[in-house]
Amino acid sequence: NAGVTQTPKFQVLKTGQSMTLQCAQDMNHNSMYWYRQDPGMGLRLIYYSASEGTTDKGEVPNGYNVSRLNKREFSLRLESAAPSQTSVYFCASTLQGVNTEAFFGQGTRLTVV
Amino acid sequence: RKEVEQDPGPFNVPEGATVAFNCTYSNSASQSFFWYRQDCRKEPKLLMSVYSSGNEDGRFTAQLNRASQYISLLIRDSKLSDSATYLCVVIHLPYSGGGADGLTFGKGTHLIIQP
Repeated sequence: NAGVTQTPKFQVLKTGQSMTLQCAQDMNHNSMYWYRQDPGMGLRLIYYSASEGTTDKGEVPNGYNVSRLNKREFSLRLESAAPSQTSVYFCASTLQGVNTEAFFGQGTRLTVV
Repeated sequence: RKEVEQDPGPFNVPEGATVAFNCTYSNSASQSFFWYRQDCRKEPKLLMSVYSSGNEDGRFTAQLNRASQYISLLIRDSKLSDSATYLCVVIHLPYSGGGADGLTFGKGTHLIIQP
């Protein structure tokens, strides 16, 4: 059971480039989330999806777009990367409405130069 | 007031000591509570759930105080390997779906166990 899989694990972008971070979970979870974590900081929610076909903004959505392709996959897109988006990105999923924990992917370490 | 608050620390504790830290939450409708552990540059992983009656897992004890709206984590006989950041997680149900997120993380408490 793979859990939550994120790709890529590392990425270096030039300012203005675009890229998509992929996330997939095989636990049949309803809700999926994208967080960013800067050095010494807590997790900040970028976007989340409560169910297939729905997405909502979190605390720091500017500069990002998301797509809940199906129940398994939730992607995060940077259309025009900026140095301020240098961070570690985590995808997470949970089974909404049930007292179960959130599971995290291993993270994507993104550097924008 | 932030939804979930934790003392960021760091807590510097000698090996073998007992350490405890709390997490306060503001939403009285919160229903599920967890402690996560995050090692440097790694993803958060579940340490333990927090039940109303309190629960224990080896050296770790978690408690919930609904009246005062906080949860606590106690680590006994601390080990060097316990050094990490401990995140408090609160879930309030039902999810509103339309703009509110039921899954809320604290910013974490940094624990350093010293030999």
